[in-house]
Amino acid sequence: AQTVTQSQPEMSVQEAETVTLSCTYDTSESDYYLFWYKQPPSRQMILVIRQEAYKQQNATENRFSVNFQKAAKSFSLKISDSQLGDAAMYFCAYNNFGNEKLTFGTGTRLTIIP
Amino acid sequence: DTGVSQNPRHKITKRGQNVTFRCDPISEHNRLYWYRQTLGQGPEFLTYFQNEAQLEKSRLLSDRFSAERPKGSFSTLEIQRTEQGDSAMYLCASSQTTGTGVYEQYFGPGTRLTVT
Repeated sequence: AQTVTQSQPEMSVQEAETVTLSCTYDTSESDYYLFWYKQPPSRQMILVIRQEAYKQQNATENRFSVNFQKAAKSFSLKISDSQLGDAAMYFCAYNNFGNEKLTFGTGTRLTIIP
Repeated sequence: DTGVSQNPRHKITKRGQNVTFRCDPISEHNRLYWYRQTLGQGPEFLTYFQNEAQLEKSRLLSDRFSAERPKGSFSTLEIQRTEQGDSAMYLCASSQTTGTGVYEQYFGPGTRLTVT
């Protein structure tokens, strides 16, 4: 079974600074997808960024980028120029190619300090 | 596109009662998923549908849980004889198969169940 581990229960960053959230996963599959989801307080979960395992290039979405290290099974999220609206729980998630279910980590609560 | 909606948003029930939740996916989405999220944890997969067919169920989905998606549109999740351990946020998500192999799941706001 696949597992996703987020070892940082809480992180904080000054507004406008950069922060990196960590995620490791375990799988024996070669084709899979990785995701970062954001869950603001009392609001629904939204997709921040995704990475296909077969792509060597790290995904980037505006201020959000990932560092995908396939051999190390590591998938970290970097948020640049942090904004107050970035405050949320961030979940790392995994799914196999062709398998629909998402396996989530336990999340990292990100606080932005004004 | 009104997004995924779930009703009710909150439900308080007494142990032993039955509850039913509803999820309305994004209209053109053919896949619908249910997850459960307890405090301090990430969501855990319960089951998913493609159109009206239930294709996978987690072992978390005990005999007291049943999910349906009649006509491949909205879905209901029923919990019979609720227990305090059923207290959680129940999340619904939907996606549209595109043939690319990457199916973004769009989540609803969830139904928070409290069993007293």
